Amino acid sequence: RKEVEQDPGPFNVPEGATVAFNCTYSNSASQSFFWYRQDCRKEPKLLMSVYSSGNEDGRFTAQLNRASQYISLLIRDSKLSDSATYLCAFQSGNQFYFGTGTSLTVIP
Amino acid sequence: EPEVTQTPSHQVTQMGQEVILRCVPISNHLYFYWYRQILGQKVEFLVSFYNNEISEKSEIFDDQFSVERPDGSNFTLKIRSTKLEDSAMYFCASSIDRVSGYTFGSGTRLTVV
Repeated sequence: RKEVEQDPGPFNVPEGATVAFNCTYSNSASQSFFWYRQDCRKEPKLLMSVYSSGNEDGRFTAQLNRASQYISLLIRDSKLSDSATYLCAFQSGNQFYFGTGTSLTVIP
Repeated sequence: EPEVTQTPSHQVTQMGQEVILRCVPISNHLYFYWYRQILGQKVEFLVSFYNNEISEKSEIFDDQFSVERPDGSNFTLKIRSTKLEDSAMYFCASSIDRVSGYTFGSGTRLTVV
């Protein structure tokens, strides 16, 4: 079983749409969870941490479901600039495991 | 905003040659990492480094790889004898503690020919 699984997409959505991604993880002992954004041929950039209580940052909402071992990212009112690959990551031991990423394209 | 800097941005090397990839982590960060990403694939963990020693390494990080923090600012990854399959983007990252998100450098694109 893979450490972390993500739907690779691609997700093609119109501007203004709401889109959600999920990411499942296998290690129940994981302590920290994150969403990163990666633009083509660039480094991953931290988008937001994911807390047990759920957290929101502007148009972005992240949630953690420990019982089902997944995290989610919701993007409201999509902008063209949101087009990127979104990576989930979770910490286990001294390393982070990254998902393969979900590709999002926001269409005018 | 503090950043992790990596040099060079692109390195081309012949198979069998040694390469050293350099990184300057954020100055108050204590944990350092190397990851790689083969084109079109996921970001893969290589090694974590804390308190001047390796704290964890992956199966990819075999005897051909080594890391060093030669002074108070640089963090290097050495590949002793490069193979074609080492071609990838290598990202350095640092964090202030074990549970906070990383800050990644902009990467070194290594091409082995």
